[in-house]
Amino acid sequence: DTGVSQDPRHKITKRGQNVTFRCDPISEHNRLYWYRQTLGQGPEFLTYFQNEAQLEKSRLLSDRFSAERPKGSFSTLEIQRTEQGDSAMYLCASRSGYNEQFFGPGTRLTVL
Amino acid sequence: TQLLEQSPQFLSIQEGENLTVYCNSSSVFSSLQWYRQEPGEGPVLLVTVVTGGEVKKLKRLTFQFGDARKDSSLHITAAQPGDTGLYLCAGVQPYGGSQGNLIFGKGTKLSVKP
Repeated sequence: DTGVSQDPRHKITKRGQNVTFRCDPISEHNRLYWYRQTLGQGPEFLTYFQNEAQLEKSRLLSDRFSAERPKGSFSTLEIQRTEQGDSAMYLCASRSGYNEQFFGPGTRLTVL
Repeated sequence: TQLLEQSPQFLSIQEGENLTVYCNSSSVFSSLQWYRQEPGEGPVLLVTVVTGGEVKKLKRLTFQFGDARKDSSLHITAAQPGDTGLYLCAGVQPYGGSQGNLIFGKGTKLSVKP
């Protein structure tokens, strides 16, 4: 399978805990994007990487959110001290040379 | 305010009917993409339109990009229950070209009943 994968698919955590999500993009795509989607809304852009460089992070929702792509391959998104308002679907996408973005299945986060 | 407005927000029709979903903006986009999303899954890319006035067909789905590249429509002919899902339009703004992040509408939730 050469699509975008995300792990875990579902995460339930208690308020105040830290969580980390992983995204494996399509191997030949050097751009990787993170989005968040809440109920009834379209995905909202958070951050993106070109290879290992994080070129935009001002849209991350707070300083509790951080992302890495250490070797320019997979990426992780971490949320520290989770709050109930962080409950959402977190989506990762990788971009082809034709400027088309292909999404993974998402990680559904529930903060109790 | 939403940069991309989709209408209608909800649509429930019978199998065999035709429908059109609209995606409108006051901003110009360098490209626009349509996705379909099922509950609990990520969006799946249907089509990308780039040129003003462009029309693309995907079986029973017809996509059109407005001449001014500010709006788009999706027309489905003879809808089937398998077309049920959330249809999202997403655009890339010209000045955001170096980032290329997508700006999404809220989506149109389509239900096709047998």
